[in-house]
Amino acid sequence: NAGVTQTPKFRVLKTGQSMTLLCAQDMNHEYMYWYRQDPGMGLRLIHYSVGEGTTAKGEVPDGYNVSRLKKQNFLLGLESAAPSQTSVYFCASRGLAGANTGELFFGEGSRLTVL
Amino acid sequence: AQSVAQPEDQVNVAEGNPLTVKCTYSVSGNPYLFWYVQYPNRGLQFLLKYITGDNLVKGSYGFEAEFNKSQTSFHLKKPSALVSDSALYFCAVRGDYGGSQGNLIFGKGTKLSVKP
Repeated sequence: NAGVTQTPKFRVLKTGQSMTLLCAQDMNHEYMYWYRQDPGMGLRLIHYSVGEGTTAKGEVPDGYNVSRLKKQNFLLGLESAAPSQTSVYFCASRGLAGANTGELFFGEGSRLTVL
Repeated sequence: AQSVAQPEDQVNVAEGNPLTVKCTYSVSGNPYLFWYVQYPNRGLQFLLKYITGDNLVKGSYGFEAEFNKSQTSFHLKKPSALVSDSALYFCAVRGDYGGSQGNLIFGKGTKLSVKP
């Protein structure tokens, strides 16, 4: 059981380039989230999805777009990367059973560097 | 708005000694509180949660946490620390995004270092 899988795990971009991070979960979870982790700042929510075909903004959505065309996949896109987007990105998911408890399952992270 | 604070950037403990990692929270309504652990180059792993009931919550790897409503705290504890407990620990509270399907709001993290 793979759980939550993120690809790629590492990526280096030049300013202005675009890229997409893929998150895939095999637990049939309804809710999926994208966070970024920066030193001394903990994890901050970028975007989230409460089901297939739905997305919504989190705390720090600017510069990112997302799509949830399939229930198991949640894509995070950077249209024009900026050095401020250098970070470690984490995807997380949870199912309906967690609606009142909030336990999230995390991927192992994607480290993005923007030069 | 919901928030959590972890006042210590780092906690140093000798192996075998008890450890405490502090967390305070600010919420409107009943708090849903969590602890996660992150080992180097890994994702976050769930340790334990408080939703309701007994103020002392037991979790994975021998960890426990004490919910104190009057002090708005949810400190993580372990009676006897192991070197393998060295990691980054995050306190979290259920957030506001998505209504009842709230995300988690994380503290800044506390690095726990256990020395032999």
